[in-house]
Amino acid sequence: DADVTQTPRNRITKTGKRIMLECSQTKGHDRMYWYRQDPGLGLRLIYYSFDVKDINKGEISDGYSVSRQAQAKFSLSLESAIPNQTALYFCATSEAKSSYNEQFFGPGTRLTVL
Amino acid sequence: DAKTTQPTSMDCAEGRAANLPCNHSTISGNEYVYWYRQIHSQGPQYIIHGLKNNETNEMASLIITEDRKSSTLILPHATLRDTAVYYCIVRFGYGGSQGNLIFGKGTKLSVKP
Repeated sequence: DADVTQTPRNRITKTGKRIMLECSQTKGHDRMYWYRQDPGLGLRLIYYSFDVKDINKGEISDGYSVSRQAQAKFSLSLESAIPNQTALYFCATSEAKSSYNEQFFGPGTRLTVL
Repeated sequence: DAKTTQPTSMDCAEGRAANLPCNHSTISGNEYVYWYRQIHSQGPQYIIHGLKNNETNEMASLIITEDRKSSTLILPHATLRDTAVYYCIVRFGYGGSQGNLIFGKGTKLSVKP
């Protein structure tokens, strides 16, 4: 079984709809992250959480919100989806105790907003 | 933030060593060099990291110049499965937002038969 899972893997929605992407991990890591990737570009950080009570905005948080329901679960919401949020979304985790930043990524969610 | 410069693309023959360069001339003394790769829209995968000394693991070797302004990732015997985008990232090693990874566009490595 995968250590970091994302649901759904693919989603097509319409402009204005509310969408939630979910991430679960079995690695026992405290830190979780949401990234988006546009074609031909690297990943950009949307939000990150260093523990259940800690939520931080990343580079491109406008239009997104998150919820850390438990240590193992971190959800990303698009309150009112727009076409330029069409992208590949990745969740990642890392260990707080680690002295370096090895992040473990999920398989990604491909979101299309029409 | 320290930034990195990588070639857009590189080719390598299967079975040969792949040497991927990265320039990070503004790196600070507390910043590590990380390498990740992304195989065809999968989630990125950690490869290796280093601070000053050269490092080697089961996947690759990392050579960092003495002045730390550049580094080279070496895949000793490239296979077709190593075809991917390789990201060189310079960040702090400790926790906190300063340690968050910042991905550039990376180098697209194509391993050819």
